[in-house]
Amino acid sequence: GDSVTQMEGPVTLSEEAFLTINCTYTATGYPSLFWYVQYPGEGLQLLLKATKADDKGSNKGFEATYRKETTSFHLEKGSVQVSDSAVYFCALSLNDYKLSFGAGTTVTVRA
Amino acid sequence: EAGVAQSPRYKIIEKRQSVAFWCNPISGHATLYWYQQILGQGPKLLIQFQNNGVVDDSQLPKDRFSAERLKGVDSTLKIQPAKLEDSAVYLCASSLLWGGTTDTQYFGPGTRLTVL
Repeated sequence: GDSVTQMEGPVTLSEEAFLTINCTYTATGYPSLFWYVQYPGEGLQLLLKATKADDKGSNKGFEATYRKETTSFHLEKGSVQVSDSAVYFCALSLNDYKLSFGAGTTVTVRA
Repeated sequence: EAGVAQSPRYKIIEKRQSVAFWCNPISGHATLYWYQQILGQGPKLLIQFQNNGVVDDSQLPKDRFSAERLKGVDSTLKIQPAKLEDSAVYLCASSLLWGGTTDTQYFGPGTRLTVL
């Protein structure tokens, strides 16, 4: 079935470090891809998305590029801040519009 | 703009008891979703409503779970009777239109259920 596999955590970084969270997908068609973030005590919120191959989604300094050839959608940020500490979820959606989520990656940024 | 509201935020019950969760979506949002998030896993869709009709309930354990969205606004999710494996966070989300990939889902804070 359609699924998402993302890098296991937890990930602990120092402020201003480079962050990468790997995400790969398996899908029967051509999905749209998403990154959601859950800050402590808050609900899930959409961070960025890409709807077709080679699209790049970006928001709040985060970027992810839809790579069809490697079925990947890795999340990157060049210089993280303490406020980026959160759980990050990769997700996909196909024609039925259901979101299928990965297991989540917990990121902690130390000052 | 007010976000998706859920209550209660936390609930602890004994197995075989019943429990209900409430969700009020963002005003004007046609589509409402209930997800189950078990610890260490990503959210899993239980049921999707468009207005007050069910679009997808293929992953809802219908022998014990039920959901309704009267008048196409707020919604309740019920578990009766609860099992230990129902311990999870129950997330409600809403989106403006019909839930397509260009239609962002907005999530509530969730209800954390513990079944003892």
